[in-house]
Amino acid sequence: GQQLNQSPQSMFIQEGEDVSMNCTSSSIFNTWLWYKQDPGEGPVLLIALYKAGELTSNGRLTAQFGITRKDSFLNISASIPSDVGIYFCAGQLASWGKLQFGAGTQVVVTP
Amino acid sequence: DAGVTQSPTHLIKTRGQQVTLRCSPKSGHDTVSWYQQALGQGPQFIFQYYEEEERQRGNFPDRFSGHQFPNYSSELNVNALLLGDSALYLCASSRQNSNQPQHFGDGTRLSIL
Repeated sequence: GQQLNQSPQSMFIQEGEDVSMNCTSSSIFNTWLWYKQDPGEGPVLLIALYKAGELTSNGRLTAQFGITRKDSFLNISASIPSDVGIYFCAGQLASWGKLQFGAGTQVVVTP
Repeated sequence: DAGVTQSPTHLIKTRGQQVTLRCSPKSGHDTVSWYQQALGQGPQFIFQYYEEEERQRGNFPDRFSGHQFPNYSSELNVNALLLGDSALYLCASSRQNSNQPQHFGDGTRLSIL
C-alpha cells in the first residue's frame, strides 16, 4: 500500500488562486519528485528535488524538499485552467531505485 | 526524440488468461521500471529491469514477470489474470548512473472481465 501521505485529496479553486499541497512519509528519501497526470496519460515530471532543504521553481510551480527528508510540498501560484489534473508526489531512496507515490491531489480550477 | 512508448494502449482480457505488455524506453535510457496504477490511486512499483535482469521488485506475486531485451525494451507478463489486475500499467525509463528522474509512458489500460 501507499507509504506516503499526500494532502489534500482534492482541491476546488478559482482561477488566479494559489494552490498548496504536501506529502509526508514515515521514512526518509534522498529524492522527492512531483508529477502531474492528465486523464488518459502517464505522469509528467514537474519538479525534482535532490537535497534536503532545497527549494526549486519551475515557472509558477515551487517545491521544497523538507529538511527532515520526510516531507515535501508543492505550490502553484496564480492557477489557470490548464492546471487541472492530478498531482502526485513520489519519494526515492536510491537514485536508480523505485518510486513510492502518494495517492494524489486532484485539482479543479473554475473560471 | 521519442519518449517512452507503450503498447497496446487498451486491452480487454478474461479471468485466467495471460497478457503481455510492451515498453520502449526513451532514447538514451537503459533502465525500465513497471508500475500498476489502480483507479483513484498512485502508481505502485512492480519491478525494475537493468542489463536484462530484474534488479528490484515490489510486493507483487510471481504471476507478474518481465523481461528486458538487448535494445533496452521491456515486456511485462501477467499470468492467471484476476479481476483485481484491472489497472493502468505504466512503464518508466531512466538512465543508470545519472541523476535523471524516471520518465513515464502513457500506459496500457488493462480491463479484466
